[in-house]
Amino acid sequence: DAGVIQSPRHEVTEMGQEVTLRCKPISGHDYLFWYRQTMMRGLELLIYFNNNVPIDDSGMPEDRFSAKMPNASFSTLKIQPSEPRDSAVYFCASSTPYGTGGSYEQYFGPGTRLTVT
Amino acid sequence: EDQVTQSPEALRLQEGESSSLNCSYTVSGLRGLFWYRQDPGKGPEFLFTLYSAGEEKEKERLKATLTKKESFLHITAPKPEDSATYLCAVQAGKGSWGKLQFGAGTQVVVTP
Repeated sequence: DAGVIQSPRHEVTEMGQEVTLRCKPISGHDYLFWYRQTMMRGLELLIYFNNNVPIDDSGMPEDRFSAKMPNASFSTLKIQPSEPRDSAVYFCASSTPYGTGGSYEQYFGPGTRLTVT
Repeated sequence: EDQVTQSPEALRLQEGESSSLNCSYTVSGLRGLFWYRQDPGKGPEFLFTLYSAGEEKEKERLKATLTKKESFLHITAPKPEDSATYLCAVQAGKGSWGKLQFGAGTQVVVTP
């Protein structure tokens, strides 16, 4: 399996622009997670989906952030409008309770490094 | 509120010098404690899951243990390739299936 795939790997944009991050989870995984990682706040869960349905979006910082999962193999995280404080590495992860030991271990993608100037 | 605290923040070891990393947690209803390794510029890589106090798991030079309040990651005779940031995370509470809360991590540097 190719693992979790994210695109783009790097994104540089100007304040006010719309940014869309993309994720393809591991085939067969029914949970998908979006995280943000910064030096100051560490790894924070933004939102997660189960069977394409959003379960918990309490970590989404504000209305400028939105996430969708139109099907089992694709999800997007959109920021509109973007601000400099959104600069971070955004990770997508997927998991399944039917993996090794049923322990919900999450498998992470390589991340998208977002810089908003 | 659930809390996960890792110590030390950073650890510098000589090759072969064994040491331990600590992850202390305050959660209601622990379902699982996870250890991950993160290399610079990459996503976290899953290492272990521990479910109950007294449980231990090993992988190569790494051994993870769990008590009711904390977990330890022991690194035995480390090599330079063990240099990474080690993250612990907890899964807790009813209705939180799948949701992990991560600690800030311990950055480990192993010098030859």
